[in-house]
Amino acid sequence: AQSVAQPEDQVNVAEGNPLTVKCTYSVSGNPYLFWYVQYPNRGLQFLLKYITGDNLVKGSYGFEAEFNKSQTSFHLKKPSALVSDSALYFCAVRDKAGGGNKLTFGTGTQLKVEL
Amino acid sequence: EAGVTQFPSHSVIEKGQTVTLRCDPISGHDNLYWYRRVMGKEIKFLLHFVKESKQDESGMPNNRFLAERTGGTYSTLKVQPAELEDSGVYFCASSQNNRGLEAFFGQGTRLTVV
Repeated sequence: AQSVAQPEDQVNVAEGNPLTVKCTYSVSGNPYLFWYVQYPNRGLQFLLKYITGDNLVKGSYGFEAEFNKSQTSFHLKKPSALVSDSALYFCAVRDKAGGGNKLTFGTGTQLKVEL
Repeated sequence: EAGVTQFPSHSVIEKGQTVTLRCDPISGHDNLYWYRRVMGKEIKFLLHFVKESKQDESGMPNNRFLAERTGGTYSTLKVQPAELEDSGVYFCASSQNNRGLEAFFGQGTRLTVV
């Protein structure tokens, strides 16, 4: 069975400061990893993914995430937060080999960026 | 290119009534998924279509939920009869035929059963 943990319900950061949203995962095989963002009254929007290769992946809006196999983590990062980054962030995993095509999501982390 | 669209965006129904949600995937996407988020919890998988066939319906909570995808285009998810615990946001997503590709999500249907 596959699972995702997002240990923080909410992350607060000042504009201009770096941000990190944490995610750890569990799959029986190798993972495909994804980050999605949900802005208020909007659907889920794809941010970035790790498939294979370089452990540091870059995505939309200046976000990046680092795949760490030994720690089974895929933390989302941004060097300088903007107020407009305030949203709900979801980490998701898909097993490369088994478990079907479904994504397994974490519970989400609310990011609040303040002036 | 149009994205994934869902109708309605909101629905408030009484316990025992029937509701049908609709999803129009991105044109050319064979894979169509339904997910649900109950307040404050994780987004949970309900089922997966490949074209008109149900590939995986392991997440469907019970037989009050019926999903169809006639002709392999749009999909409907019917809840009959609705219960209070069915309240939540129902998301539809679609993707192309590659497990490494991301799924594109609709804006969701917020269902409230009172």
